[in-house]
Amino acid sequence: DAKTTQPPSMDCAEGRAANLPCNHSTISGNEYVYWYRQIHSQGPQYIIHGLKNNETNEMASLIITEDRKSSTLILPHATLRDTAVYYCIVRVSLGSARQLTFGSGTQLTVLP
Amino acid sequence: KAGVTQTPRYLIKTRGQQVTLSCSPISGHRSVSWYQQTPGQGLQFLFEYFSETQRNKGNFPGRFSGRQFSNSRSEMNVSTLELGDSALYLCASSLVASYNEQFFGPGTRLTVL
Repeated sequence: DAKTTQPPSMDCAEGRAANLPCNHSTISGNEYVYWYRQIHSQGPQYIIHGLKNNETNEMASLIITEDRKSSTLILPHATLRDTAVYYCIVRVSLGSARQLTFGSGTQLTVLP
Repeated sequence: KAGVTQTPRYLIKTRGQQVTLSCSPISGHRSVSWYQQTPGQGLQFLFEYFSETQRNKGNFPGRFSGRQFSNSRSEMNVSTLELGDSALYLCASSLVASYNEQFFGPGTRLTVL
């Protein structure tokens, strides 16, 4: 699976959009970009995933660059409850018995 | 529907002992994966089970083992505990093996003294 690079920490004001970047310059054509988050003392939570098109769900939006070497997770209106470690993971999807490989992630702190 | 449940939530053991952790996946989910989380190493994959068969295994010593039952419930066992085994052990379930979305349980906090 391709390696990902994320900033170790970011702050965001409550109510503003949080934009979390991820670099995955060695991504392969059949690898998806996944985002999970882990709120302190809880198990990780799936947020969103995508291949090459931008994706949106009730939690967030995922913007993947055209060359697929980087992506951005957008939380449109961050709340204090969004304070968590956010993990960007790149892996092959269905049909592959491949585990999730978590990096160090980005500690997002939403400030009141 | 109920989420992934893990028992016990907290456990204290001494070096040399063994421990068994349990995970009940979401109803209908057939794949269960186990992860170890420590401050120094982060989240690391242990193994994955699907239909009672181990599908994938991480880079952990043989002291770490697991199994899955016909009802998809899974157990992991750590024998001859070491201080370094102190960690949060997380279980995740998904509909099928390596499906897009894995649902994690709250974890079992193991402390080895």
